[in-house]
Amino acid sequence: QVQLQESGPGLVRPSGTLSLTCAVSGVSISNGHWWDWVRQSPGKGLEWIGEIHPTGTTNYSPSLKGRVTISVDKSKNQLSLKLSSVTAADTAIYYCARDKGDYTSTWDFWGQGTLVTVSS
Amino acid sequence: DIVMTQSPDSLAVSLGERATINCKSSQSVLYSSNNKNYLAWYQQKPGQPPKLLIYWASTRESGVPDRFSGSGSGTDFTLTISSLQAEDVAVYYCQQYSGTPPMYTFGQGTKLEI
Repeated sequence: QVQLQESGPGLVRPSGTLSLTCAVSGVSISNGHWWDWVRQSPGKGLEWIGEIHPTGTTNYSPSLKGRVTISVDKSKNQLSLKLSSVTAADTAIYYCARDKGDYTSTWDFWGQGTLVTVSS
Repeated sequence: DIVMTQSPDSLAVSLGERATINCKSSQSVLYSSNNKNYLAWYQQKPGQPPKLLIYWASTRESGVPDRFSGSGSGTDFTLTISSLQAEDVAVYYCQQYSGTPPMYTFGQGTKLEI
């Protein structure tokens, strides 16, 4: 069974960098699926952050491009998210998710999410 | 960016009755290359991540009860729950995909109650 688990600091200072890791189990992260980050905040609802393919190709939301970096560590079977210059507006639950594939452009497996609060 | 608008924002339906949620896209999500509508529906319960119900507007995800169905094409879509069960209480979201460059956007959500 595919499982995803996010981890990282729950509190980040304004202007700092948010760093999260998503550990994947039950499937190799190199098996050809895209892997995504999605966040959810009370003010903006669900928001797509970006995605990465095992080959290293990335796509990012235009609204976050320039601040976001997604990477993959195949040896650890995990993906990572870095979001720089954070403000209170970046406070949200952050999810990692697996693209279902077959050109469906949807997500069939999700982590439980991790709450990140941006505050001094 | 494509904007997704759901209606209503909240809905109360009696057990066993039909529930209908609408989703309207600001641009067509129908791709002529494969004649697929890139519109999905998710169910989210408190403290849980979204769960995929429907993709390509009308294809039910494996394991999803057949009381859930999706319809529509182009810019107007509907999620129907034919006979509401207590476990269906949740917030429902529609989501679209547009390519070149890839972009995904969600509706604001519809809260479904008994």
